[in-house]
Amino acid sequence: NAGVTQTPKFQVLKTGQSMTLQCAQDMNHEYMSWYRQDPGMGLRLIHYSVGAGITDQGEVPNGYNVSRSTTEDFPLRLLSAAPSQTSVYFCASSYTTGDNSPLHFGNGTRLTVT
Amino acid sequence: GQSLEQPSEVTAVEGAIVQINCTYQTSGFYGLSWYQQHDGGAPTFLSYNALDGLEETGRFSSFLSRSDSYGYLLLQELQMKDSASYFCAVRADQAGTALIFGKGTTLSVSS
Repeated sequence: NAGVTQTPKFQVLKTGQSMTLQCAQDMNHEYMSWYRQDPGMGLRLIHYSVGAGITDQGEVPNGYNVSRSTTEDFPLRLLSAAPSQTSVYFCASSYTTGDNSPLHFGNGTRLTVT
Repeated sequence: GQSLEQPSEVTAVEGAIVQINCTYQTSGFYGLSWYQQHDGGAPTFLSYNALDGLEETGRFSSFLSRSDSYGYLLLQELQMKDSASYFCAVRADQAGTALIFGKGTTLSVSS
């Protein structure tokens, strides 16, 4: 049982490049989400999904796309990277969205955009 | 807007007790969670309060007062390994699809 797996761990992009951050979970969780963490800013929700085929925007969705074709996978796409997207990205999942269904986080992807 | 306020830093010594407060102003409220994050690591779940009162899990306890829009995390018998950042997070919608996180409190435990 690997939990939530994120790849890559580190990435450097040039402005304007695109890339996909991968996230997979093997816990049969319905809910998956992407957060970004910047110094002094806490965790901010980018996009989330409550099941395969269903996605929605969070607090800071601009510049990012997601899809959920399977229960297990929830990739995050950066369409045209900008220096403002330099951040640590965490994927998180939970069994449901109900009471006391805690989020399980991946180990993060540290992205630098130059 | 939605806001959660918690102190940015707290320091304590081994064996002591420390309380990390969290006040919130959100459009809705369905529960308060606490997460721990060690430097360079992933956040991990500590506790959840949906109703007023105290929840105890080992050395950690969490309290909620919905009338005061306030909660706290209490850490007892502090150990060096408790040095980490602690985040409160509010479940602000009934569907529970979006947790709103505070900016985090960095706890430094010294010997």
